Amino acid sequence: QSALTQPASVSGSPGQSITISCTGTSSDIGSYNYVSWYQQHPGKAPELMIFDVSNRPSGVSHRFSGSKSGNTASLTISGLQAEDEADYYCLSYTGSGTEVFGGGTEVTVL
Amino acid sequence: QMQLQESGPGLVKPSETLSLTCSVSGGSISSSSYYWGWVRQPPGKGLEWIGVIYYTGTTYYNPSLQSRVTISLDTSGTQFSLKVSSVTAADTAVYYCARRTPRANWFYFDNWGQGTPVTVSS
Repeated sequence: QSALTQPASVSGSPGQSITISCTGTSSDIGSYNYVSWYQQHPGKAPELMIFDVSNRPSGVSHRFSGSKSGNTASLTISGLQAEDEADYYCLSYTGSGTEVFGGGTEVTVL
Repeated sequence: QMQLQESGPGLVKPSETLSLTCSVSGGSISSSSYYWGWVRQPPGKGLEWIGVIYYTGTTYYNPSLQSRVTISLDTSGTQFSLKVSSVTAADTAVYYCARRTPRANWFYFDNWGQGTPVTVSS
C-alpha cells in the first residue's frame, strides 16, 4: 500500500485559513469514511485532531475541521495561530484491517 | 488516565531482531474496548503504520512489513510487544506504541507513548 499524498508544506498568516489535502484511491479514502488527522509538534508524539473524516475529539479547537470528496480528504485550520505550526498527517483505513498514513504536511505560520 | 511507555534497546545490529515493549499503566490491555498498535517515524520523515493487535490476539500488519513483524500481548495484561526481524538501516526510526479507541464508527489512535529511538548499526 502506498502512502497517501499530502503537500509537503502549507503556510498562512495568523488569522487566515489554510487547507491541507490528502489524496488516496478508491480503495482507501474513496471507499471508507475512516479518515483521521494527527498534529505532531517537533519531538512530540502525534495527537488526534479529527476522526471519521469530520469529527473532533473533545478538547480539540473548533478551528479544526475535516471533509472528504471522492478520493481526497481535507483538513482546514481556520483563524490560524502560532501554536498551529506543526506537522499534520492523515490516516485512512485501507481494508482488511490495515491503515496507511499520508506523507505529512509541514504547516508554517508566517 | 491510561499511560503508555515504550522500552527496549536503542541500538540493534543489522540482520538481528528489534524487540520493543509497551507498558500500559492505568488500565488493562485485556479490555475489549481497545486495539493496541505500533507506528514508527524514520529521522526527518513521516509516520508509518506498522500494525495493531486486539485483546483476542488478532493482529493486522502493514503488508510491506508483514513478513518481518510480530506484535503480541504479554500475559501480564499490562504490556504488549513488537518484534522486527532481519533489520537494516531502513528500520532506524522513533517507534511509538499507541492505543486505538472506538469512536463512532471506527478505532483511532488517541493515546500515544512518548516514542523511543532505535538505531540499526553495526
